[in-house]
Amino acid sequence: AQKITQTQPGMFVQEKEAVTLDCTYDTSDQSYGLFWYKQPSSGEMIFLIYQGSYDEQNATEGRYSLNFQKARKSANLVISASQLGDSAMYFCAMRVRSGSARQLTFGSGTQLTVLP
Amino acid sequence: GAGVSQSPRYKVTKRGQDVALRCDPISGHVSLYWYRQALGQGPEFLTYFNYEAQQDKSGLPNDRFSAERPEGSISTLTIQRTEQRDSAMYRCASSRTGTSEAFFGQGTRLTVV
Repeated sequence: AQKITQTQPGMFVQEKEAVTLDCTYDTSDQSYGLFWYKQPSSGEMIFLIYQGSYDEQNATEGRYSLNFQKARKSANLVISASQLGDSAMYFCAMRVRSGSARQLTFGSGTQLTVLP
Repeated sequence: GAGVSQSPRYKVTKRGQDVALRCDPISGHVSLYWYRQALGQGPEFLTYFNYEAQQDKSGLPNDRFSAERPEGSISTLTIQRTEQRDSAMYRCASSRTGTSEAFFGQGTRLTVV
């Protein structure tokens, strides 16, 4: 079974500063993918970034980067130059690639508030 | 279509009634997932389809819940004899393959009164 842990229920960051949202995971599978999603107050789920377990470089997408530390089983999301529109709930998720299981397992989320 | 489309967006039903929630995935996406999300929590997996085959239904809470995807495109999640505890946001997602990123629809907010 897979498990995702997000230990920060809420985070505050000043506009234009960088912020790191923590995510640790637990799986016995060697092949898996890690995902981050953003959920603004409107309720939609927006895909942000993906990291494969065999990817040697950390994933980056614009202002988002994923700090992947495989030995520590962590996949923290770094948002640089925070904007007011970044205020939202952020979910970390994983999916294993072995076997037939294909569901995403989500963490409990981190509510990020960007202060002006 | 351009994105995952779910209907209805909101559904209020009386306890004991059956409801059917529809999901129209992104064109060409072979994998389709149903999730349920309670307020303030992460989505919980319900079931997964690869084309028309229901590959995993381990997340369905009980036999009142069922899902189908008969032609490998549109899917319907059916809840029979609804109960108040079924009230939640029901989300559908699709992905190009079983390992690529999943894109979510806007969800259906179900309220059982």
